Amino acid sequence: GDSVTQMEGPVTLSEEAFLTINCTYTATGYPSLFWYVQYPGEGLQLLLKATKADDKGSNKGFEATYRKETTSFHLEKGSVQVSDSAVYFCALSDFGNEKLTFGTGTRLTIIP
Amino acid sequence: GAGVSQSPSNKVTEKGKDVELRCDPISGHTALYWYRQSLGQGLEFLIYFQGNSAPDKSGLPSDRFSAERTGGSVSTLTIQRTQQEDSAVYLCASSFQQGSGLAFFGQGTRLTVV
Repeated sequence: GDSVTQMEGPVTLSEEAFLTINCTYTATGYPSLFWYVQYPGEGLQLLLKATKADDKGSNKGFEATYRKETTSFHLEKGSVQVSDSAVYFCALSDFGNEKLTFGTGTRLTIIP
Repeated sequence: GAGVSQSPSNKVTEKGKDVELRCDPISGHTALYWYRQSLGQGLEFLIYFQGNSAPDKSGLPSDRFSAERTGGSVSTLTIQRTQQEDSAVYLCASSFQQGSGLAFFGQGTRLTVV
């Protein structure tokens, strides 16, 4: 079955540091890949997505590239801010399958 | 409303009691999903609705769990004879685009079974 494995947390960084949160997946088909974010006190929201190999999703300074050869979708940001503190979830949606399969989430805390 | 609304936001119930959790999706969204987030776990898919039909119920953990959707809108997740392992945050999401993976989530109902 489908599965998503993401970097264990929590992760604590200083403001303006470089961020990478690793995500790898297993899928039976050709999935679409997503990063969702949950800010404190808010619901999950889509951060970015990619639907085919070598696509790069980007939003709010975050980027992730769909790497089919390594089955990965790592999240990166060049300079994090305190406002980026949240829980980040990697997810996939396999073709023909409506549901999202999520990783366990990575809690990110940015300190000034 | 502007977003997905879930009620109640918190529910504490005694073991063995039944509970109902409600979800109001974004108006016009035909797809609706229920997920469960247990402590230290990722989000676990429970059930998917397209309109009032549930083509995928594969994630419901036992026959104590059921869900319905009426009028292509509001959905209710019912847990009968609750157990302590049912304690979790139950999340509802809706989507306007079938098969896109683009889901809008509510803030969830935190269920505690004591």
